[in-house]
Amino acid sequence: DQQVKQNSPSLSVQEGRISILNCDYTNSMFDYFLWYKKYPAEGPTFLISISSIKDKNEDGRFTVFLNKSAKHLSLHIVPSQPGDSAVYFCAASSGTYKYIFGTGTRLKVLA
Amino acid sequence: DGGITQSPKYLFRKEGQNVTLSCEQNLNHDAMYWYRQDPGQGLRLIYYSQIVNDFQKGDIAEGYSVSREKKESFPLTVTSAQKNPTAFYLCASSRGPIGSYNSPLHFGNGTRLTVT
Repeated sequence: DQQVKQNSPSLSVQEGRISILNCDYTNSMFDYFLWYKKYPAEGPTFLISISSIKDKNEDGRFTVFLNKSAKHLSLHIVPSQPGDSAVYFCAASSGTYKYIFGTGTRLKVLA
Repeated sequence: DGGITQSPKYLFRKEGQNVTLSCEQNLNHDAMYWYRQDPGQGLRLIYYSQIVNDFQKGDIAEGYSVSREKKESFPLTVTSAQKNPTAFYLCASSRGPIGSYNSPLHFGNGTRLTVT
């Protein structure tokens, strides 16, 4: 039972354009969502988070949008840079010690 | 610099042997976690510990064991009972319960275990 889904395994975007990574969830009890970035052979790095009381959170080039009615989360990267090329994971929590992670989307930013 | 140290980065073992993966943190975080990553899958929780001398099973604890004798250390033992031990193992920590909004997970750089 995949409670957090990232349906696009990969995405390619031109440098300078917007990258949009999507995440869907099924558990309406989730109230805290995060995005992580991961390079090969390294641990994931925390990027940005959002609580369910908000619908948008912004940090520099990264913005996360939350649509609770659609149970949908997205990460926007503007402008995209070659160094953004990595695997991006979304994760969700319902106030316990457990995060549920998606399967990841591999972003490639083309120079 | 504070962080999480996992060692070794690569580990090779013969089938039937137990192996222990090290995880040390100097972030003064209370909670620590072990995740496993397999190709095409998300990170799956093996064990977690909220405080010293206490730990709970995650979603895939079978074939694994942990200890939390010190706040800084949370070693994971992969036993011979684990049917598919070859994977990338990630240790993480957080300041407090992850339901609190200022407490994201911080990850180490992982250990790739290969069992043949």
